[in-house]
Amino acid sequence: DGGITQSPKYLFRKEGQNVTLSCEQNLNHDAMYWYRQDPGQGLRLIYYSQIVNDFQKGDIAEGYSVSREKKESFPLTVTSAQKNPTAFYLCASTPRTSGNDNEQFFGPGTRLTVL
Amino acid sequence: AQSVAQPEDQVNVAEGNPLTVKCTYSVSGNPYLFWYVQYPNRGLQFLLKYITGDNLVKGSYGFEAEFNKSQSSFHLKKPSALVSDSALYFCAVRDIGATDSWGKLQFGAGTQVVVTP
Repeated sequence: DGGITQSPKYLFRKEGQNVTLSCEQNLNHDAMYWYRQDPGQGLRLIYYSQIVNDFQKGDIAEGYSVSREKKESFPLTVTSAQKNPTAFYLCASTPRTSGNDNEQFFGPGTRLTVL
Repeated sequence: AQSVAQPEDQVNVAEGNPLTVKCTYSVSGNPYLFWYVQYPNRGLQFLLKYITGDNLVKGSYGFEAEFNKSQSSFHLKKPSALVSDSALYFCAVRDIGATDSWGKLQFGAGTQVVVTP
């Protein structure tokens, strides 16, 4: 099956700890995205990557970091600098074609709770 | 800058009745428009998109949406709602002319649809 996997599904973190959320895709997509979802606020873009070894900050990048060493993988680290990290985190990907008209494909999400 | 507004936090409809979820957008150029659905604790599922051509777009699960350029709207519709359509619906826009942000989408805040038996 082709798709996007995120792990773990649920993650609990103590204050002051860094945690890393995994996102893997086998769709051969070039671009990948991380979103944060909070009730009533929709999806907010944290970071995105259009090609391997390159990524850009989204609207709410503070307190987060990413890497893109492989096309298939785009892990997100939530650092201790993120003051309110409790949220639902969604990873997405899309193929890079000339028309730029492709939809994004989403993973199942990781729910992060800070204890 | 691009933006999306979904003016209703929640839409309530009886099963079998028509369902409409509203979306308006603002972009500097021409838009690509998308609708997604989300069930509890799940990722987003793609429903349909408007790229060009016919203003009425048909998508998955019997949903359709109408692009209205003069009103900057892209409302989602279903002629006869099912209880299983109860979910969170998101509208998203991509500015075709935004060459520095390839593939990015701007999402609305979402509309919760509740279909009662």
